Amino acid sequence: DIQMTQSPASLSASLGETVTIECRASEDIYNGLAWYQQKPGKSPQLLIYNANSLHTGVPSRFSGSGSGTQYSLKINSLQSEDVASYFCQQYYDYPYTFGAGTKLELK
Amino acid sequence: EVQLVESGGGLVQPGSPLKLSCAASGFTFSSNWLNWIRQAPGKGLEWVASINPDGSSTYYPDTVKGRFVVSKDNAKNTGYLQMNNLRSEDTAMYYCARTRYYGYYFDYWGQGVMVTVSS
Repeated sequence: DIQMTQSPASLSASLGETVTIECRASEDIYNGLAWYQQKPGKSPQLLIYNANSLHTGVPSRFSGSGSGTQYSLKINSLQSEDVASYFCQQYYDYPYTFGAGTKLELK
Repeated sequence: EVQLVESGGGLVQPGSPLKLSCAASGFTFSSNWLNWIRQAPGKGLEWVASINPDGSSTYYPDTVKGRFVVSKDNAKNTGYLQMNNLRSEDTAMYYCARTRYYGYYFDYWGQGVMVTVSS
């Protein structure tokens, strides 16, 4: 199975700040990577797919990058509505696996 | 608008079966994959099942293989997850989600349904 190591586990940032979340795969996943946002009490929502493509309706302050085994999610100009948990997921191979998540809070 | 609505959750005893449903609307259900993902309380996400558009192929992780069965009824626009021999570690929120193709991302998710396995 492909292991996804996500960091940091938690993050505290100020409004307007830029934050970055990292995800490392245990082997090359050839950009088969998605990022999801999950707000408290809600289901996950797709943000980024194919490592760097923005899903429909997602604000442009969200961006993804990376290749091979290293990927990142960047949030520019942090807004209050971005407080949530974020998960990476590889879909290059079964079983699909997720990172453990990053909980983003406001400072 | 794509919508997925899960139902059928509840409190069951260890060893019991339970069947979840996922009602789909707003897209061509027969042309899409259906998936189930779960999240234990306060924990991360775990994929538990996938089924291809015509229902002829299914995929499971080792943690549920042999106990869970995913199916879909394209005439009813509904997917199912039959869970057998439930264990306490199966306690989780269960989400159904759509993927367009094999080896693809989950682009739309349901609101989830809670399953609690406890005596």
